[in-house]
Amino acid sequence: EIVLTQSPDFQSVTPEEKVTITCRASENIGSNLHWYQQKPDQSPKVLIKYVSQSFSGVPSRFSGSGSGTDFTLTIKSLEVEDAATYYCHQSSSFPYTFGQGTKLEIK
Amino acid sequence: QVQLVQSGTEVRKPGASVKVSCKASGYTFTTYYVHWVRQAPGQGLEWLGVIDPSGGGTTYAQRFRGRVTMTRDTSTTTVYMELSSLRSDDTAVYYCARTANSGSSTGLFDYWGQGTLFTVSS
Repeated sequence: EIVLTQSPDFQSVTPEEKVTITCRASENIGSNLHWYQQKPDQSPKVLIKYVSQSFSGVPSRFSGSGSGTDFTLTIKSLEVEDAATYYCHQSSSFPYTFGQGTKLEIK
Repeated sequence: QVQLVQSGTEVRKPGASVKVSCKASGYTFTTYYVHWVRQAPGQGLEWLGVIDPSGGGTTYAQRFRGRVTMTRDTSTTTVYMELSSLRSDDTAVYYCARTANSGSSTGLFDYWGQGTLFTVSS
């Protein structure tokens, strides 16, 4: 199965700071990489689909980039409401897998 | 609007089975595949499998084969996930989620249910 490794696992950041989360795949997954945000006691929500495509209703401060095995989620200017755990997800092949998550704490 | 509404919290003893439901509304039920994903307390997301609501075909993660069964009822637009031979490490929130791509089992999950917690404890 394809292993997705995110870094960092945890980050404490201040509002308006730029945040970068990376996701590395154990093999080439092309552009089949998506990002989700999950807040406590809520279901995950899509932020970015297929590496860099924005999802309906998601603020423009969220963007994605990368290809093949290395991917990045960027939050341009962090807002307090962005405190959450972020997951990457590959849909290149079954079994679908997720990164272990990156928890963002707001200072 | 699209909604996936799951059944409520369950408690089971080790070795028992549990069946969770996921009722879909707001779209053509047979057009979008439904996946199941679980999340153990304080842990990440784990994919269990997918069902085609049209034909009922399924694909399961290797580690759950033999223990998981996904079914659907088109008359009530409901998908079910049954997990058997429960162990304590099956304690988790179980989510159903819809594939965004019509007619395909592949792709991202655009709508998620609210989650069903089931606890396995003696």
